Amino acid sequence: DAKTTQPPSMDCAEGRAANLPCNHSTISGNEYVYWYRQIHSQGPQYIIHGLKNNETNEMASLIITEDRKSSTLILPHATLRDTAVYYCIASTDSWGKLQFGAGTQVVVTP
Amino acid sequence: SAVISQKPSRDICQRGTSLTIQCQVDSQVTMMFWYRQQPGQSLTLIATANQGSEATYESGFVIDKFPISRPNLTFSTLTVSNMSPEDSSIYLCSAPGLGSYNEQFFGPGTRLTVL
Repeated sequence: DAKTTQPPSMDCAEGRAANLPCNHSTISGNEYVYWYRQIHSQGPQYIIHGLKNNETNEMASLIITEDRKSSTLILPHATLRDTAVYYCIASTDSWGKLQFGAGTQVVVTP
Repeated sequence: SAVISQKPSRDICQRGTSLTIQCQVDSQVTMMFWYRQQPGQSLTLIATANQGSEATYESGFVIDKFPISRPNLTFSTLTVSNMSPEDSSIYLCSAPGLGSYNEQFFGPGTRLTVL
């Protein structure tokens, strides 16, 4: 699976959009991009995933560049409860095996 | 979705002893996964537990240290054997939701402290 690179930390103002970048320059054509988050003292929570096209669900939007070498997770209206470590994972595993990187610690402030 | 529970939620153990962690899923799943999260670190995959066959271990993890059982499609155990303080971590299991392996659900974790 391709290695992903994320900034170690980000601050975001409550109510504003949070844009979380992820680099995956060696991603292969059949690797999906997954985003999970881990709120303190809890198990990780799935957010969204995509292959080529941009994706949106009730939690977030995922924007993947045309060359697929990077992506951005967008939390449209950040709340204090969005404070968490966010993980970007590239994976081909069809059974759901995930290799976590270091992630981005996002702190949403009032 | 899938609801996953783990027992115990936390434990404090003496070095040299073993602890078995249980993971229960509310639906039948083929694959379950075990992860370790050392203090202040990200998650590291330990092994894949497939019902009806031996677990598949990731590099750096061996069956003698982390034996895994998978007796049926809703349950798995991970044993941490001959523990040392370096085994102090949170241990988590995961399983997919119904109908899709793209979304993994995680248990709340077992916080292990080894003295």
